Formats: sequence, structure tokens, C-alpha cells
Amino acid sequence: DVKVTQSSRYLVKRTGEKVFLECVQDMDHENMFWYRQDPGLGLRLIYFSYDVKMKEKGDIPEGYSVSREKKERFSLILESASTNQTSMYLCAAQGGGTEAFFGQGTRLTVV
Amino acid sequence: AQSVTQLGSHVSVSEGALVLLRCNYSSSVPPYLFWYVQYPNQGLQLLLKYTTGATLVKGINGFEAEFKKSETSFHLTKPSAHMSDAAEYFCAVSEGNNAGNMLTFGGGTRLMVKP
Repeated sequence: DVKVTQSSRYLVKRTGEKVFLECVQDMDHENMFWYRQDPGLGLRLIYFSYDVKMKEKGDIPEGYSVSREKKERFSLILESASTNQTSMYLCAAQGGGTEAFFGQGTRLTVV
Repeated sequence: AQSVTQLGSHVSVSEGALVLLRCNYSSSVPPYLFWYVQYPNQGLQLLLKYTTGATLVKGINGFEAEFKKSETSFHLTKPSAHMSDAAEYFCAVSEGNNAGNMLTFGGGTRLMVKP
């Protein structure tokens, strides 16, 4: 199975900090995704990428950017963290339209 | 555009009882359908998927789901609930087998199992 690894399980950052969330997959999957998950709101897509250096906005891209310089790595960047970005962040990798494989998640708290 | 509706954000069953989690979707093309499970503070794990072929699909942990095109449904069932089944369950749809066809998720259903 594909393994998707997120760099941190828990993270605490201060308001205004620049935050990097890293995600690495160990297979050659084209698509990678960043979601945030909040109680009662399910999973909401922030950004996705279907190839190196390619990115597309999802449903809630405001306040976020992404980087995909190598096929296996997809980074989510919070340019200036705010308290309303406190959430669980999930990275996923998908090949050829089949199932997505998820990382363990990063629970980010912005104080 | 594709969408997924999960009826019931919370479902409670007794241990040993039937589990039924409902999922309806909309899709403009033949869909690929998935059920994922999420345990507390974990990522999502694939339970089962339907792509083509047999409409009744079996997954891990005794779960199964049936694709019913006429009802645009993909409900998840398990004959006998176990305490370890308590988790959040997500239904998802993907439109076809092309790169860039991302999954659209339902809002999730939290399953509680009473002893």
C-alpha cells in the first residue's frame, strides 16, 4: 500500500507565524491533496496537485498556499497563521482516479 | 459536479445489531464510490470501494456496500456491530478513472456502539 507521511502529528504555532505542513508519499502517485477537517463540516479541500509544479484551488484556499517541487512531496503553507486555522489537516495521495491514501493527520493549534 | 450526502451525522446501535450507514451521491458520469473509516486522531482508512463490475462489494472488518444506480445510493452495512466499530465513516465519490478526478466526501457519520 501507499504510505503517506505527514511531518508532524501535533503542532502549536503563534498567530502571524508562517507555518509549513509537509507531506510525503512513497509511491509514484500523480495526485496529492490537502484537506482540513473540522467538527460538523467534514473534509474540505484546500488545494490539490496533479503534477509537479501544478496546483489547483479547492473549496477553501484563502489563507493557504502550496508547493510541489517533487512528485513525492506536497507542502501546505499558512502564510500568516490565524486562530481560525486551528484544525486537523489531512494530506492524501491518489493515482489514476482510484482511492486516496491518507496520512495520519496534523492537528494544528494556533494561539 | 459530483456531490455526496450522508444521512445522519450520528448513528447509535447496540453491540451485535445491524449497522446501516446511508450514502447518496450525484454524478454526471458513472461514479467510483468509496467508504472510509476514521478512528480518533487518525487519518482516513479505506474500508471498501466500487469501481466497476459486481455491485455488492465487501470490505475490511466485515463491512459491505451495495451500489444501486437507480437509487444513486451506496449504503454501508455490517450484520453485527462490534465495540471496535465505533468511529467516523465517510462516503466519497470520484468521477471516473482520470488523473485529476479528486474525491468528493460526504459530511461523515459518527457511529456509536452501545454495550
